[in-house]
This record gives sequence, C-alpha cells and structure tokens, in this order.
Amino acid sequence: ETGVTQTPRHLVMGMTNKKSLKCEQHLGHNAMYWYKQSAKKPLELMFVYSLEERVENNSVPSRFSPECPNSSHLFLHLHTLQPEDSALYLCASSHPGQTNTEAFFGQGTRLTVV
Amino acid sequence: EDQVTQSPEALRLQEGESSSLNCSYTVSGLRGLFWYRQDPGKGPEFLFTLYSAGEEKEKERLKATLTKKESFLHITAPKPEDSATYLCAVQAVYNFNKFYFGSGTKLNVKP
Repeated sequence: ETGVTQTPRHLVMGMTNKKSLKCEQHLGHNAMYWYKQSAKKPLELMFVYSLEERVENNSVPSRFSPECPNSSHLFLHLHTLQPEDSALYLCASSHPGQTNTEAFFGQGTRLTVV
Repeated sequence: EDQVTQSPEALRLQEGESSSLNCSYTVSGLRGLFWYRQDPGKGPEFLFTLYSAGEEKEKERLKATLTKKESFLHITAPKPEDSATYLCAVQAVYNFNKFYFGSGTKLNVKP
C-alpha cells in the first residue's frame, strides 16, 4: 500500500465519547500533519510532527490530543467534543529536508459530533 | 503576515471554455507554491510545485505559472471531469513545516 491512509473514513460520535483517528504514511516522509477543513474555510493547521517531535500546535483546544509514536503513524485522540468540531480531518505528510517538499494528503475522516 | 488569497471563489465554465484561476500570496521568502485538486469529501490531490518566478509546470489540460506575487492555474479546453475545488498553498523558507492554504476555487465545468 502506498500514500497516506486515514481511518476511519466516517465517524459519528456523541459529545461524551472518546475516539481516535489514525493516519499511516508509506512515503518515507519524516513530517506529519493534522488539518481541519470546515465548509467555506481554508484548511486549518492543527498539529505538525517532525521526526516524531511536535513542532507546531496552533492553539488547538485540549479536547484534541495528537500522538506520533513513529514517523509513519499519527493519531488524533478526541474527547468531549463540541458540535462545532464537526468537519473533515485531514492527515498529510512531507519530507521538509528534500528538494521536493510538497505535502501528500490522506482521504480524510468526516467527523460528525452529535 | 503570510497569507494566500484565491480568486474567483467559484467558476462555472462550459466544456471547452478555457480560463484561469488566480492565487495571490504574501510570504516572507517563498520556498514553494503548491497546487492541489480536491474532490468533494476527499483529501487534496497534489498537482504541481513551483519554486521560482517564471517557472511553469504542465499536466494534461492544466498549466501552472508563477510570478513574485501570484500564481495562475490555466485550464485549457476543460472537461466535466475537471470539476473540483483547486487549492493553492505556499511554504516559507524560514519554516518548512507550515503550508499556508487559500480558501480554494470551486470549478464547475458543464457539458
């Protein structure tokens, strides 16, 4: 399998639930990202991990908790979410140290908070 | 402040009617400018990277160009399957870990 894979593709959760989103990349990249995409808004960067160390945390509420156990895997742990957190959550990876630094995205997880 | 502005917000074309999408950017030292295509409910698909003013890249009916202030995505004789949202992003030389995205242009090509 190649590219960036996200699971699950769709998730419906109540405000008191705890769930996790998973991302796996098979591109040999060393940076991974979580983005939030809401309707009619630009992609919002949430977290960046470079070499398994968190390097960006864009004022994201603590109900979102990222985890990067190795350079190929990234998780987003969710708890006590709000309805306004419903969105498409996108994972991406890149290799900042290479000549080609473009990011490649997974298919996203469509999250609905009820 | 680094930012990206895309125009128009939406564009409706007849099949075969060529046009251009614009991406204006402000960044403190451009490392790269990226174009993506996004279909509804899916993740963005990488199209092109441009690194310096004057550079051009082509892929099928798409051609991307870059100046010091903006980039254009030219679509020649579009087909209905070109309908999608096209996203532009920039990366700064001082921070390879961030991509600044525009809001996108939603393209609808009618047969």
